[in-house]
Amino acid sequence: EAAVTQSPRNKVTVTGGNVTLSCRQTNSHNYMYWYRQDTGHGLRLIHYSYGAGNLQIGDVPDGYKATRTTQEDFFLLLELASPSQTSLYFCASSDALGGLYAEQFFGPGTRLTVL
Amino acid sequence: AQKVTQTQTSISVVEKTTVTMDCVYETRDSSYFLFWYKQTASGEIVFLIRQDSYKKENATVGHYSLNFQKPKSSIGLIITATQIEDSAVYFCAMRETNNNAGAKLTFGGGTRLTVRP
Repeated sequence: EAAVTQSPRNKVTVTGGNVTLSCRQTNSHNYMYWYRQDTGHGLRLIHYSYGAGNLQIGDVPDGYKATRTTQEDFFLLLELASPSQTSLYFCASSDALGGLYAEQFFGPGTRLTVL
Repeated sequence: AQKVTQTQTSISVVEKTTVTMDCVYETRDSSYFLFWYKQTASGEIVFLIRQDSYKKENATVGHYSLNFQKPKSSIGLIITATQIEDSAVYFCAMRETNNNAGAKLTFGGGTRLTVRP
């Protein structure tokens, strides 16, 4: 069973603040993803990565940066946080060996509030 | 661009009955994969079942099955003999196979299922 962990689990910041959300997966998956979840929108992809040093733009990337430092670690950066970024953030990973057929394994989520 | 729509925002059923959750999608690809995920009350998101667009047989896993109707771009999730613990939000998702899509997964807005005793 893939293990995906996220930290912090809850974060409160102020408008204009600098926030880093962390994600680690321990099953040697190649792909990692960052999503945000908002009522009525389901899960929306922010950024994703094929491996260390790789970054791909998702569907709602504005206001977010991401960095994949190792195969295990994927970070989401909000350099000037805004109230519109208040959301529940999920990290996920999937195995490249399964190709596009592979399911994604999700972390427990980080609730971010921007005041 | 790909799009996934779940028109039912919430459904309530009595325990031990069968429920179907609808999902329609838009894609220009001839080949794609469809997935269903479950989000429990605790927020945990888990994979349930998937369908390859090239396969005519409907996928089945435990008491979950799919009703794949390719001409209608529809992939319904059927849960038979529902249990209280099936109460959750269910998400439909699609992944295209063209090179530009990469490994991206597009989700629907979700359907909240409540199973009553």
